[in-house]
Amino acid sequence: EPEVTQTPSHQVTQMGQEVILRCVPISNHLYFYWYRQILGQKVEFLVSFYNNEISEKSEIFDDQFSVERPDGSNFTLKIRSTKLEDSAMYFCASAGTFSYNEQFFGPGTRLTVL
Amino acid sequence: AQTVTQSQPEMSVQEAETVTLSCTYDTSESNYYLFWYKQPPSRQMILVIRQEAYKQQNATENRFSVNFQKAAKSFSLKISDSQLGDTAMYFCAFRDTGTASKLTFGTGTRLQVTL
Repeated sequence: EPEVTQTPSHQVTQMGQEVILRCVPISNHLYFYWYRQILGQKVEFLVSFYNNEISEKSEIFDDQFSVERPDGSNFTLKIRSTKLEDSAMYFCASAGTFSYNEQFFGPGTRLTVL
Repeated sequence: AQTVTQSQPEMSVQEAETVTLSCTYDTSESNYYLFWYKQPPSRQMILVIRQEAYKQQNATENRFSVNFQKAAKSFSLKISDSQLGDTAMYFCAFRDTGTASKLTFGTGTRLQVTL
């Protein structure tokens, strides 16, 4: 069964460093999303992406965040200068054009900023 | 903006018993989708069940069923014959019908299934 994959599973970085989180969505999906979950809190929407551009972004998704689909398979989230409060689980999701546009989630990347 | 509220931070149920998790939401939309996601300790987000607001019939998936009350904006999840593997965080989520629309999640209910 097709699935969304994410790498790395755990990333540790120093405050102020740049990180890139990678996702491989399900191959025939057209809509891509990033969500984050600070430990013990709810899952929050960051950004949606369709047709090589951002469809919607939340207040959290400020200038230090960017997304890119550099080739036909990867979908990346870049955090330019990480802060302590960026420590969270980051989930990628993708959706096709059928089945209620159900979003399929990847296993997440745990980001720890020291 | 849509909001989703889960008023039960934690619940416990004995194996083989039935438990109901509550969720309410607020929206001005007339059509939308509602979901329950399960998040086990691995933190993977797993879709449990979904409901389309224009369908009056409550969705059912094996031991999982919902009680969807559109007028009350209520969407509860019933788990029958609870199993130890049901132990997880459960998140209620809302999405409008736009094709690229985001999911809006509640704060979650931690369910513990005991022997």
